[in-house]
Amino acid sequence: EDQVTQSPEALRLQEGESSSLNCSYTVSGLRGLFWYRQDPGKGPEFLFTLYSAGEEKEKERLKATLTKKESFLHITAPKPEDSATYLCAVQAWDGNEKLTFGTGTRLTIIP
Amino acid sequence: GAVVSQHPSWVICKSGTSVKIECRSLDFQATTMFWYRQFPKQSLMLMATSNEGSKATYEQGVEKDKFLINHASLTLSTLTVTSAHPEDSSFYICSAAPDRNSPLHFGNGTRLTVT
Repeated sequence: EDQVTQSPEALRLQEGESSSLNCSYTVSGLRGLFWYRQDPGKGPEFLFTLYSAGEEKEKERLKATLTKKESFLHITAPKPEDSATYLCAVQAWDGNEKLTFGTGTRLTIIP
Repeated sequence: GAVVSQHPSWVICKSGTSVKIECRSLDFQATTMFWYRQFPKQSLMLMATSNEGSKATYEQGVEKDKFLINHASLTLSTLTVTSAHPEDSSFYICSAAPDRNSPLHFGNGTRLTVT
């Protein structure tokens, strides 16, 4: 069974204080690892897809990296508007497009 | 591109009644759509996979007679919660992708409250 574990559960940072969120996963055969951002009361918003170990993707203050066992979402000099829950999900090579999600990291950036 | 729209965004219903939630892909066709449920401070749990023109595939533990899914066209899937009970109160979210090589895009969810 595919499993995704995210840590920490919650993270409070001062504006400008960089940090990283962790996503550990076990999957029968990784087709893709996805990062989403979810604001309260909204659906997840797609951020990145990573396919193979060593791959990196960047978007503004966010950078996602991937190894064979985990992924990191690095946030550099965050701003209050980066406050959200960040979700990690995996998709397996089993003929199904479904995603298995972690429980997320609730990020709060304090001005 | 790849916009998924969900309606309604919130609904309150009495115990024992049925509620229908619509999920539309606005700028692409989707042969497959996914329905998730999310409880407060918990992750998204896949309920079922909706297949255009055929029966939905339900995850283990999800009652197919309670959560009726109809995927009648390439742009519309509906989830009907039948004989709703307070424990069905949750946040329901649908998702779809333009093709198998694209990421899933999600609707903005429907907050269901059963009183």
